[in-house]
Order: sequence, then C-alpha cells, then structure tokens
Amino acid sequence: GNSVTQMEGPVTLSEEAFLTINCTYTATGYPSLFWYVQYPGEGLQLLLKATKADDKGSNKGFEATYRKETTSFHLEKGSVQVSDSAVYFCALSERTGFQKLVFGTGTRLLVSP
Amino acid sequence: NAGVTQTPKFRVLKTGQSMTLLCAQDMNHEYMYWYRQDPGMGLRLIHYSVGEGTTAKGEVPDGYNVSRLKKQNFLLGLESAAPSQTSVYFCASSHPPNTEAFFGQGTRLTVV
Repeated sequence: GNSVTQMEGPVTLSEEAFLTINCTYTATGYPSLFWYVQYPGEGLQLLLKATKADDKGSNKGFEATYRKETTSFHLEKGSVQVSDSAVYFCALSERTGFQKLVFGTGTRLLVSP
Repeated sequence: NAGVTQTPKFRVLKTGQSMTLLCAQDMNHEYMYWYRQDPGMGLRLIHYSVGEGTTAKGEVPDGYNVSRLKKQNFLLGLESAAPSQTSVYFCASSHPPNTEAFFGQGTRLTVV
C-alpha cells in the first residue's frame, strides 16, 4: 500500500539556520504530495502541496519539489525563525478513488533564538 | 470563518464508559474524516465519509462507530472506552477533487 517515510526528530536549529526535512513515499499510482504543519495545541494546516512531477510547492518561505525519480518531497527553508517551531507532516493522496490522505509520522522542529 | 469545529476539546473517561465526539464543518464539504494521533505514529484514519448518509472504515476502526446524518456533522462514538483509546482525535473535511484537508483543533481524550 501507499506509505510516507519522514526523518526522525526532533530537529533542533538556531534561528536563521537552513532547514531540510526529508520525506520519501511509496505509491502505486501517481499521488499528490503535501506538507502539513501543526503548531502547539492546534490542528494540522496545509503548508504547501504539489500535484505533478517537478512541481515546486512554496509558502511562507518553505519549499518542496516533487521528485518522481527519487520518490521524494523534501521540505526546505533558507532561514528558520523561532515561530517555525512546530511538527511537520508529509502526506500523499491518491488522485483516483477515495483520495485518502496518508501521513508520515511527523518531524518536530525546535528553533532557538 | 469557523471551518471545522470539534466538541469537546478535552475529556477524561473511565474504562467502559461511552461518549460521542462531534465534528461540524461549515464549508459544505462532501468528505469528512476522523483521525487519531499517537506519539511516533502520525495520524491514522479511523473512519471516513464521502457524503451525507455514508460511512466507511479506515485503518483503525475497531472500537469506534460513526454517523453522518447531516452533511455538516460527523460523529465519532466510543461504546465502551479502553485505555488504548487514549489519544488526540482530529476531524477533517475536504471537497473533491481538491484533496486539501481542513482540520479541527483536536480532542484530547484520556481513558483511565
């Protein structure tokens, strides 16, 4: 079945450091890919998405590129802020049938001043 | 905009008790979902609905029941709570073909 694998956390960075959170996926079809973010005490919210190979999703300084050849969707940000501290979830959705979202286990990011 | 609202936000149950979690969305979405979030396991789908009057099982449905009598509401029931059901529960909704899901703020349930 479909699955998403994320790097283990927590990821601890100083403010203004470069961020990469790795995400790889396994899918039988040609999925859409997502990054969701969960701030403390809140639900998940969509950060960015990409629906086809080589698409780049971007939002709030975060970027991720849909790499079909490596089945990856790594999240990057050039300069993190304390306010970016949160849990980040990579997810995929099939584009046919029910289109269920399948989530990775999440990666906690801690940014210190 | 309210979006997706979950009730209650916190609850403590004794083993064997029953309860219902309510999810309401005001976006006229067709699809609604219940997930549970446990440390190190991400989000796992419990049940889902693709429209009013329909429900289906997800990955971890045992011990839960659901109903979708109205399009805007999706109820999750625990008939006889067990400590293994201690978790944070999230409701979400989406509208095909856009697969972006909108989440509620969660219900933290503790079963003692």
